[in-house]
Amino acid sequence: DAGITQSPRYKITETGRQVTLMCHQTWSHSYMFWYRQDLGHGLRLIYYSAAADITDKGEVSDGYVVSRSKTENFPLTLESATRSQTSVYFCASSWDYSYEQYFGPGTRLTVT
Amino acid sequence: QQPVQSPQAVILREGEDAVINCSSSKALYSVHWYRQKHGEAPVFLMILLKGGEQKGHEKISASFNEKKQQSSLYLTASQLSYSGTYFCGTEAEGAQKLVFGQGTRLTINP
Repeated sequence: DAGITQSPRYKITETGRQVTLMCHQTWSHSYMFWYRQDLGHGLRLIYYSAAADITDKGEVSDGYVVSRSKTENFPLTLESATRSQTSVYFCASSWDYSYEQYFGPGTRLTVT
Repeated sequence: QQPVQSPQAVILREGEDAVINCSSSKALYSVHWYRQKHGEAPVFLMILLKGGEQKGHEKISASFNEKKQQSSLYLTASQLSYSGTYFCGTEAEGAQKLVFGQGTRLTINP
């Protein structure tokens, strides 16, 4: 099915562990984004990518790493998870940064 | 810098009107509006571009005041399905990315 998917949908991990959240889209959108959503903060941009092999930091990028070797995939890695990274993570894609963004269903991550 | 939305929350009865405001301290190129229902992903409503016209979508419309760097979302004759949290996303000139506000929670009661 066409669309944007995220996996896993739920993840519990321990402090200090490395975690990778996956995002896959089937529209061949150029732009992909990672946001985290915390109560009272809305959606905050972690990283974005304009095309394969082109990525740039958002406003809350510390502690996160991304890669984009293929247009359709945009994984987000927490190198050493901390409790402050407990959040709901949304991936989104769009044709261009000024176009509408399509959001994935989200991944609820809990760091214990 | 994150745009400021007001009010933070509003409760209405079905059929009433609502206005949600979004203000930025930066010169804006565009404003995006999204709605998110509880436990779901945000869904796009509309984009307003600098120099563009007021947009409409069914009974939901929006305006963009370029001089004040403000946008307003208008929900007319609200329906139960309009309940959710509304986010504005602002794109500053030259920024090439959105910054979202903290959201406005809209509750529509029968």
